[in-house]
Amino acid sequence: GAVVSQHPSWVICKSGTSVKIECRSLDFQATTMFWYRQFPKQSLMLMATSNEGSKATYEQGVEKDKFLINHASLTLSTLTVTSAHPEDSSFYICSAKRGNEQFFGPGTRLTVL
Amino acid sequence: AQKITQTQPGMFVQEKEAVTLDCTYDTSDQSYGLFWYKQPSSGEMIFLIYQGSYDEQNATEGRYSLNFQKARKSANLVISASQLGDSAMYFCAMRVSDTDKLIFGTGTRLQVFP
Repeated sequence: GAVVSQHPSWVICKSGTSVKIECRSLDFQATTMFWYRQFPKQSLMLMATSNEGSKATYEQGVEKDKFLINHASLTLSTLTVTSAHPEDSSFYICSAKRGNEQFFGPGTRLTVL
Repeated sequence: AQKITQTQPGMFVQEKEAVTLDCTYDTSDQSYGLFWYKQPSSGEMIFLIYQGSYDEQNATEGRYSLNFQKARKSANLVISASQLGDSAMYFCAMRVSDTDKLIFGTGTRLQVFP
């Protein structure tokens, strides 16, 4: 089956620092990846669509300068949370598209102190 | 506007019994896809089942089946012979036509008891 990994699985950082989260498709190439955010006991909200070799497409209300997305290869997309604040604390999940399906990574729990 | 509605915040079911998780959707598109995902406490999203809007037969995957009623815009998930390991959050999602975006419902927490 299709496997998607995320690194790190959890991270704690100080307010004002930047955090990079990696999303990798391990056994297939993905020209399109997605980044979601999930607050506790809530649903997944799409943040942006990451396209290999081009700029990401952000959903309305998502600050592109705060959440930097780079899809530099067919198997790797990164999300960098810049100048993180406590309100950025959340569960971040990526997915990679293969055919008509999306395969999700295990998620990264970010806690900003 | 596209929307997914899951009206059951929580459901209980006894082991070995069947349970139905409700999902209704709203879209004006003719072509769309409906998904169910399971999210255990570990957080990962596990794909369960898919139904395309043009599929005439209800999708089935092992113990999971999707009761697709297009006229009523409902796509309920039926889990047969529930197991303790089925306890998790379940999300219904819709793929917006002509895009790959998924819109998720608010989820239903299923608890299976012995």
